[in-house]
Amino acid sequence: DAGVIQSPRHEVTEMGQEVTLRCKPISGHNSLFWYRQTMMRGLELLIYFNNNVPIDDSGMPEDRFSAKMPNASFSTLKIQPSEPRDSAVYFCASSPGSEKLFFGSGTQLSVL
Amino acid sequence: GENVEQHPSTLSVQEGDSAVIKCTYSDSASNYFPWYKQELGKRPQLIIDIRSNVGEKKDQRIAVTLNKTAKHFSLHITETQPEDSAVYFCAASNNYGQNFVFGPGTRLSVLP
Repeated sequence: DAGVIQSPRHEVTEMGQEVTLRCKPISGHNSLFWYRQTMMRGLELLIYFNNNVPIDDSGMPEDRFSAKMPNASFSTLKIQPSEPRDSAVYFCASSPGSEKLFFGSGTQLSVL
Repeated sequence: GENVEQHPSTLSVQEGDSAVIKCTYSDSASNYFPWYKQELGKRPQLIIDIRSNVGEKKDQRIAVTLNKTAKHFSLHITETQPEDSAVYFCAASNNYGQNFVFGPGTRLSVLP
């Protein structure tokens, strides 16, 4: 298994642009999580899905952020419009529902 | 919601010494407590975990203890080696993996 796959690995964009981050969970995993990591705030849970349904999106910072999971093998996190304070590493993680969380390699986002 | 605190934020030990990292959580419903290790520029990876019905678990040089009454759990690393240098995150979850909340992390440096 290739593990959790995220794309792109790096994204540099200008303030105001739309950014879309992508994630393919491990096949058979029924839970998917989006985290944001910064030096100041550590690992913040943004949203998680169970069986493709959003369960808790209370961590989504504001309406500029949205996440979807149209099927069991794909999820997106969108920021529109992006701002410099959104610069961070965004991790996607999946779980088979039995506790263990497997992280992707992350997307390093820089908003100029 | 759950709140996880972690101490110390940085820890330096001499190679061969032991290291202890402590976490506290707020939600008595939390029942699963994993520890993740994140090397520089890499993804967090699970190193050990413990469920609420167990007080202690050991895996070679790594052990975790849990005190449910006091709502705290600790990571113990014995005979530390330079490759143990990393950031360590504790986490708490309820419903065995439905909602992971991470502590702020501890940067461990093992000095040769």
